[in-house]
Amino acid sequence: GEDVEQSLFLSVREGDSSVINCTYTDSSSTYLYWYKQEPGAGLQLLTYIFSNMDMKQDQRLTVLLNKKDKHLSLRIADTQTGDSAIYFCAESIPSGSARQLTFGSGTQLTVLP
Amino acid sequence: ETGVTQSPTHLIKTRGQQVTLRCSSQSGHNTVSWYQQALGQGPQFIFQYYREEENGRGNFPPRFSGLQFPNYSSELNVNALELDDSALYLCASSLSGPPYEQYFGPGTRLTVT
Repeated sequence: GEDVEQSLFLSVREGDSSVINCTYTDSSSTYLYWYKQEPGAGLQLLTYIFSNMDMKQDQRLTVLLNKKDKHLSLRIADTQTGDSAIYFCAESIPSGSARQLTFGSGTQLTVLP
Repeated sequence: ETGVTQSPTHLIKTRGQQVTLRCSSQSGHNTVSWYQQALGQGPQFIFQYYREEENGRGNFPPRFSGLQFPNYSSELNVNALELDDSALYLCASSLSGPPYEQYFGPGTRLTVT
């Protein structure tokens, strides 16, 4: 089956680290992604990780993958007010000969000054 | 490099009508996917097109149909609109191989009254 779950809300102070968590269920996932969506806008691809990796770091972003527990997390270091948005994790799974993205419901990150 | 563009930005239709939404892929991308995002939810996969053919489909009825053109631009057509079709429709373009990164346009907000 395919199901991606995220906590709905996260609130942090400016300058602190944010950690957004996600669990997925489809064992055939090979790539997992994090997207950011600001109000009224489309989705911005932040980063992705291949399923044979445990960690990927990209500037302020760190992705951790625990494949055994099917758990993915996104850590944002030194969180800024501009990071306030909805964050979606997504897994890429086969659909026919296509690759579809299955998304969680998103985590609303609020950064307090 | 031109990003993914969509038109129109907003659209209001009446139940039972038909609608066509348009998408231009990012330069160099040969695959386009369409997603429906209801308010407060993550995007749901509608279908994907590659080489002008549908190569994968989510759980959407046949009144949702699409086209991909030789220049890789795409259309989403929805017939017999229902109130529940009110949503943000997102187009994403990608290459056909790994890591299957999908880049999203800003979306078309469809309201059905």
